[in-house]
Amino acid sequence: DIQMTQSPSSVSASVGDRVTITCRASQGISSWLAWYQQKPGKAPKLLIYAASSLQSGVPSRFSGSGSGTDFTLTISSLQPEDFATYYCQQANSFPRAFGQGTKVEIK
Amino acid sequence: QVQLQESGPGLVKPSGTLSLTCAVSGGSISSSNWWSWVRQPPGKGLEWIGEIYHSGSTNYNPSLKSRVTISVDKSKNQFSLKLSSVTAADTAVYYCARDPGRGYSYGSWDYWGQGTLVTVSS
Repeated sequence: DIQMTQSPSSVSASVGDRVTITCRASQGISSWLAWYQQKPGKAPKLLIYAASSLQSGVPSRFSGSGSGTDFTLTISSLQPEDFATYYCQQANSFPRAFGQGTKVEIK
Repeated sequence: QVQLQESGPGLVKPSGTLSLTCAVSGGSISSSNWWSWVRQPPGKGLEWIGEIYHSGSTNYNPSLKSRVTISVDKSKNQFSLKLSSVTAADTAVYYCARDPGRGYSYGSWDYWGQGTLVTVSS
């Protein structure tokens, strides 16, 4: 099974900051990676698929990059509504697997 | 706009069977999509349980495979989850979700239900 590891586990940032979250796969997954945002009490929301493709309706301040084993989610200018937990997920093989999550908190 | 809605008992006794249904509206369950179940224990991360295609083909997480059955009812435009021999460790919010099923978004989930909390307790 492929293991997904995110870092950091949490990050404190201010509105307007650039935030970067890293995800590493235990083996190569090409570009089969998705990113989700989850707010308390809500279902996850798809932000990025295929490592760098922006899901329809998602603001352009979100971007994804990487391939193989190392991936990055970047929020270029953090907005108040972006404070949430972010998960990466590998879509290369079964079983599908998520990273443990990164909580973006208000500084 | 596709919508998914989970339903089922919120409380299940230990050693019993958890049964949930996901009703799909705004789209056909017979379209080129896979339909998944994902769960999240309170305060913890996300775990993929398994998925089904309208043909009945399934893929399951090996960690749960011996206890999981996912089925589809095309006449009702819904799919279901059964998890047997449950313990307190199965207490979680259970989500149903749609995989686009093709293209570069295959393997991700673009539509989700709101989730339903299932507690395993006597």
